Amino acid sequence: DSGVTQTPKHLITATGQRVTLRCSPRSGDLSVYWYQQSLDQGLQFLIQYYNGEERAKGNILERFSAQQFPDLHSELNLSSLELGDSALYFCASSVVVSGRAGTDTQYFGPGTRLTVL
Amino acid sequence: DAKTTQPPSMDCAEGRAANLPCNHSTISGNEYVYWYRQIHSQGPQYIIHGLKNNETNEMASLIITEDRKSSTLILPHATLRDTAVYYCIVMNQGGSEKLVFGKGTKLTVNP
Repeated sequence: DSGVTQTPKHLITATGQRVTLRCSPRSGDLSVYWYQQSLDQGLQFLIQYYNGEERAKGNILERFSAQQFPDLHSELNLSSLELGDSALYFCASSVVVSGRAGTDTQYFGPGTRLTVL
Repeated sequence: DAKTTQPPSMDCAEGRAANLPCNHSTISGNEYVYWYRQIHSQGPQYIIHGLKNNETNEMASLIITEDRKSSTLILPHATLRDTAVYYCIVMNQGGSEKLVFGKGTKLTVNP
């Protein structure tokens, strides 16, 4: 158990709909990362938040957005869903003390499996 | 693109050591080598990381060559539960960078 929790575990929805995935980081971790894993693309970085602020962006679609709340949990919002958005979505967290080696190790949650029909 | 090269698959007998190689010939001086594994669609699991010295923890050992262009992850006594995809990743420390996953090595531990 990594200490990172994600809900829901499974989500089945229809094209055009909007869903919200939730992530609670490990206690004390300030940074949250979102990754997408689809069959054809592998594991890909979407976005990172650090202490409530967006820190880095990857290949995240404009239909997707995220935020990190004051209690440090994060939500990933996916809208206007398409069949191709079906994937596993993972959240990871790390402590990140700037300039201090060894604090960047990311610990992953169990993921949310999204199926768009 | 991933900065590492790994064999797509390997087999290992249960109880024997599994040695997983990784090439990272373009690694820079401030980049660490990280190893993660993913067991059948579960969340990736952190194994170990290192800069230039060999490292050991309760899960595995990491051997990094002197020129740092390659490394080997060693699982000393592989079990069936070690069957997974193993990812070797290079990453800067202190900058909270994203992890760039390649295709990894599918390790199958056979009874």
